[in-house]
This record gives sequence, C-alpha cells and structure tokens, in this order.
Amino acid sequence: AQRVTQPEKLLSVFKGAPVELKCNYSYSGSPELFWYVQYSRQRLQLLLRHISRESIKGFTADLNKGETSFHLKKPFAQEEDSAMYYCALRGNQGGKLIFGQGTELSVKP
Amino acid sequence: AAGVIQSPRHLIKEKRETATLKCYPIPRHDTVYWYQQGPGQDPQFLISFYEKMQSDKGSIPDRFSAQQFSDYHSELNMSSLELGDSALYFCASSHQGGRTEAFFGQGTRLTVV
Repeated sequence: AQRVTQPEKLLSVFKGAPVELKCNYSYSGSPELFWYVQYSRQRLQLLLRHISRESIKGFTADLNKGETSFHLKKPFAQEEDSAMYYCALRGNQGGKLIFGQGTELSVKP
Repeated sequence: AAGVIQSPRHLIKEKRETATLKCYPIPRHDTVYWYQQGPGQDPQFLISFYEKMQSDKGSIPDRFSAQQFSDYHSELNMSSLELGDSALYFCASSHQGGRTEAFFGQGTRLTVV
C-alpha cells in the first residue's frame, strides 16, 4: 500500500531551537519524496524534493530508504517557519502525489 | 509569473445542488490534478488529466465528474451535493505528464449547507 505517515499533528518549538518534522512512507518501488509547505491562507508550495538534495530556507531532508523515512530538519527555527508542512510521495514516473496528514509547526518567540 | 488559478475561491451550496469548480493551469502545463481536503484531513487525490484525457482516478465519488478542455483548463462537476462534500478543493498542474514539479492553486472552499 502507498502511504505517507506524519506522526505529529502539531510541533511547537521556540525560536532558535532545532526542529525535526517526521515522515515515514510505504511504497512498493522507488518513490520520489517531497516536502510541501502551506503558510497561512496561501497555496501549497514545494519546499524540498529528495532528488535535488538541496537546502531551502535552511531546511534539509534526507531520504533513508532503510528506514523508509524522509524527515525534515532545520537547526535553528525562525518564527516565519510557522506553517503547515506536508510530506508527499509519488512514483518515479510522475503522477499524483500522496500526502501525509500534515504537521503544523508553530515557532514561538 | 502566472500561477494556477482556481475559481471560485469560495462557494456555498445547499444539499442536492450542483457545483462546478474551475482550474486554469500554468501556461504550457499539460497535466491537471484535483484534490479534496476535508477539515483536518490530508489532501486526497480525486482525478487527473493529461493532454485532455483522464490519466488517473482516485477516490472520486460517482456523483462527481471532471474533464480537461482544449485550452487545458479543467472543471470538476459535483452533483447531488452532500454535507460531507464540504471541503477545500484544489488543483495542481505540471507538464510532461506529471514528471515535473506540481504547482498548486489556492483552492476552492466549498461549503454545503
């Protein structure tokens, strides 16, 4: 079964603290993994994709095929990082995205 | 840069009415996806189109239908609306049949009363 699991509905940290948003997946084959972010009242935006292996806004995510995880990390959270974060996967031939339940990140001053 | 445009942004309908949601993809994008996101739920894939043909189908009720037109815009038609259809419906577009990044619209908030 194709599934994305984000175990935390809400993650609250203080500004400057490290943050890790967890994502585990189940997929038969080699998926592409993504992190999407949705700021308040805005559209879903792509934050990271595993094949690009880049850092965006200080966030990184490493695909761990052994643990079937794609956790999102940032060493020092900022207040403007407060948003809803969705982990998603799709097959390596493209197509629809399968989303996790989302994690709301709240960064307090 | 042009983004994915959805209309209307908000829609209120009564039970058993019909609704039509529209999605205008980014220019030169040939693929459109529709998703439904209920309150507190993750986005659920409904249906997709590539080059005006249905390419994939998810958990779309039989009361719903959709199509992609010659100008690549897409419409989601919803009939016999139920209270449970109240959700945020958003579409995404990409090109090369979905092999590239998907860009999302801001969504249509449908409320069925």
